[in-house]
Amino acid sequence: QKEVEQNSGPLSVPEGAIASLNCTYSDRGSQSFFWYRQYSGKSPELIMFIYSNGDKEDGRFTAQLNKASQYVSLLIRDSQPSDSATYLCAAVGVGGSQGNLIFGKGTKLSVKP
Amino acid sequence: GAGVSQSPRYKVAKRGQDVALRCDPISGHVSLFWYQQALGQGPEFLTYFQNEAQLDKSGLPSDRFFAERPEGSVSTLKIQRTQQEDSAVYLCASSSGQGVGYTFGSGTRLTVV
Repeated sequence: QKEVEQNSGPLSVPEGAIASLNCTYSDRGSQSFFWYRQYSGKSPELIMFIYSNGDKEDGRFTAQLNKASQYVSLLIRDSQPSDSATYLCAAVGVGGSQGNLIFGKGTKLSVKP
Repeated sequence: GAGVSQSPRYKVAKRGQDVALRCDPISGHVSLFWYQQALGQGPEFLTYFQNEAQLDKSGLPSDRFFAERPEGSVSTLKIQRTQQEDSAVYLCASSSGQGVGYTFGSGTRLTVV
């Protein structure tokens, strides 16, 4: 069973702080990883994707990938109340699941003003 | 179209009723995915099309679930003899290729009573 694991939270951070969201995956063959944000009652929207080991920065967001540890993270700098949402980590399946995204259960983030 | 369009937005079905959910992907996107999202959970993969070919249907929970994409664009997910456990949000996503981020539609919230 290929799995993506996330701490369900809630993770609460004060406005302006750094929020750190973590994810582990079981399929060592997975090559591509995605972070989606989902507001309550809305559909997931893509924030970032990462393919290579190391860091990838986009504005206030930084994705980190460590394939040896099978670990993906998302850092949100200068967190804002509008960042309050559920963050979904996803890995592209391989083998029989090739092409589809396998999602974690999501981490609920709350940014307090 | 500009985005992935799903209809209906909400559907209430009596137990045992058949339902059909429609997805109109982004124009030109060859890949189309159906996911089921229960409350408080991440999206769970149901099935995947590349053009009109259904390449993976391993996530369909029972033979009551059937999906088609006959002309390689619009897709329909059909659920026969609905049960209460089928209550969930059904998300459709499309992408231009493997391993790239998916764009989700707004989803159909199905409630079986």
